[in-house]
Amino acid sequence: EAGVAQSPRYKIIEKRQSVAFWCNPISGHATLYWYQQILGQGPKLLIQFQNNGVVDDSQLPKDRFSAERLKGVDSTLKIQPAKLEDSAVYLCASSPRTWNEQFFGPGTRLTVL
Amino acid sequence: AQSVTQPDIHITVSEGASLELRCNYSYGATPYLFWYVQSPGQGLQLLLKYFSGDTLVQGIKGFEAEFKRSQSSFNLRKPSVHWSDAAEYFCAGPSGNTGKLIFGQGTTLQVKP
Repeated sequence: EAGVAQSPRYKIIEKRQSVAFWCNPISGHATLYWYQQILGQGPKLLIQFQNNGVVDDSQLPKDRFSAERLKGVDSTLKIQPAKLEDSAVYLCASSPRTWNEQFFGPGTRLTVL
Repeated sequence: AQSVTQPDIHITVSEGASLELRCNYSYGATPYLFWYVQSPGQGLQLLLKYFSGDTLVQGIKGFEAEFKRSQSSFNLRKPSVHWSDAAEYFCAGPSGNTGKLIFGQGTTLQVKP
């Protein structure tokens, strides 16, 4: 069974530029999560999807971050414009349903200069 | 508010010695709890999980954890540490009613030869 796929693995941009990350969850998993992990900290949930609907985006900085999961399968997370403090690893995870274990992708390491 | 706390930021043990990583949670109902491990540059891998039932749970790689409601703890243990266990360990538990997880800040494990 294929795991959660993410791309790109690494991205370096300058502040005020935009960037997008892609995630393909495990086949059949209804729930998809995007986390931000700042160096030295645990992952922090940005947004949670159930199929193509948003369940929780309370910690998503909506003035600059956006995410979509149009067909209820893969998802994109966008930052526009990026700030220095957005430098982090962005992790995507999926689970068969809510209240279940989450399976994580390898992450995208973003560096904002 | 729900929270997960890992009191130890960094732990060093000798190879072959026993290990215990601490995790304390704050949650009104019976929580479901996880331990994940993260190697450098990698995503998070599930070590073990507790949903209900037997309070001593076994995981992969020889790890186990014990849920103690009276102490609000879910400590991770291993009787004999291997050099390959050096990594960062995260405890996670639920927050709110959407099934989302909150993570502790992590404990970095260093193994001395």
